Amino acid sequence: QSLLAQPPSASGTPGQRVTISCSGSSSNIGSNYVYWYQQLPGTAPKLLIYRNDQRPSGVPDRFSGSKSGTSASLTISGLRSEDEADYYCEAWDDSLKGVFGGGTKVTVL
Amino acid sequence: QVQLVESGGGVVQPGRSLRLSCVASGFTFSNYVIHWVRQAPGKGLEWVAVIYPDGSGKYSADSVKGRFTISRDDSKNTLFLHMNSLRAEDTAMYYCAREYGDYGKDYWGQGTLVTVSS
Repeated sequence: QSLLAQPPSASGTPGQRVTISCSGSSSNIGSNYVYWYQQLPGTAPKLLIYRNDQRPSGVPDRFSGSKSGTSASLTISGLRSEDEADYYCEAWDDSLKGVFGGGTKVTVL
Repeated sequence: QVQLVESGGGVVQPGRSLRLSCVASGFTFSNYVIHWVRQAPGKGLEWVAVIYPDGSGKYSADSVKGRFTISRDDSKNTLFLHMNSLRAEDTAMYYCAREYGDYGKDYWGQGTLVTVSS
């Protein structure tokens, strides 16, 4: 029932750049902020990006976010082995509900 | 430091009820919007419900509307999720998460597992 569309997987070698897309609609991404979360195996999600492109304190600057219209993206520049995780985009929908993407599993080759 | 600790999960038969709790510490609980988010085994995150300060606003996902109720007791720094008419598809890890305005869900609990099975 995910309302935001993400690719199920992405991969890259150490040092490469990986970009994950997140597509929504005018009622969610188009009119509200996008957030990104990282979930390592067996752990709770962790906030990675807020307000489309802002990093919380402690998040490495190799993580960056952007938004354009009804789509958003997360880029990992300089991929590292510890970045292997699931990544989720999220936005508030104007129908008064939260919506997540289906998640993207990033593999470091 | 900010902490959110969920409890109340377990194995329950279809059609029965369960109440989850999330105890907060390290911040002024009454000032914050709090969410429930769940994750079925091997699946992605699913937003469940949200409650605003003073319980002034409550919203829930279509998949749980009419069955689940979110509430809070600010005197006990505790969030609840009352789950009725449970179904197999409600089987999931349930997380509570603090929303810090436009800064997003900045703190999450470790989760409590609900298994609906006969």
